[in-house]
Amino acid sequence: EIVMVQSPATLSVSPGERATLSCRASQSLRSTVAWYQQKPGQAPKLLIYAVSSRATGVPARFSGSGSGTEFTLTIDSLQSQDFAVYYCQQYNNWPLTFGGGTKVEFK
Amino acid sequence: QVHLQESGPGLLKPSETLSLTCTVSGYSIGSGFQWGWIRQSPGKGLEYVGSIYHSGSPYYSPALNSRLSISVDTSKNQLSLKLTSVTAADTAVYYCVRKDTVVSPVEIWGQGALVTVSS
Repeated sequence: EIVMVQSPATLSVSPGERATLSCRASQSLRSTVAWYQQKPGQAPKLLIYAVSSRATGVPARFSGSGSGTEFTLTIDSLQSQDFAVYYCQQYNNWPLTFGGGTKVEFK
Repeated sequence: QVHLQESGPGLLKPSETLSLTCTVSGYSIGSGFQWGWIRQSPGKGLEYVGSIYHSGSPYYSPALNSRLSISVDTSKNQLSLKLTSVTAADTAVYYCVRKDTVVSPVEIWGQGALVTVSS
């Protein structure tokens, strides 16, 4: 099973700033990494797939990058609605696995 | 617009069987895609439970394989999950999901159903 480790666990950011979230995989992946956003009381929502492709309707301030075992989600000019928990996921191998999440909170 | 709605008992005792149903609207489940379950507990975060193509064999999490059954009823447009011999560790919000293939990201999620296992 591929283990996904996210850092930091909590990120304190002010509105308008950039947030950089990291995800490390226990083995090298192809372009099979996704990112999800989850707000309290809601299901996760797909933001990024194939490392850097934005899902339908996702604003351009969200971008994904990386390769091999290191992946990054960047949120430019953080807006109030972006404060949430973000999860990375690998879908290279079964079972699909998620990282433990990064909570982006108001600084 | 595709909508997934989970339903089932919210409270179980240890050793009982967890049964959940996902009713799909806006799409015929027999027309394609992978349909599955993901659960989320405070202790273990997001965990992929398993998935099934409408006409194929299911894929189960190795950790749950011996207790798990996932099936599709195309006549009712429903997906079902059965997990036997539950313990407190199975307490979680269970999400019904849709994916393109076995190894693809999750595009559509249900709202989730909380299942608590407690004596």
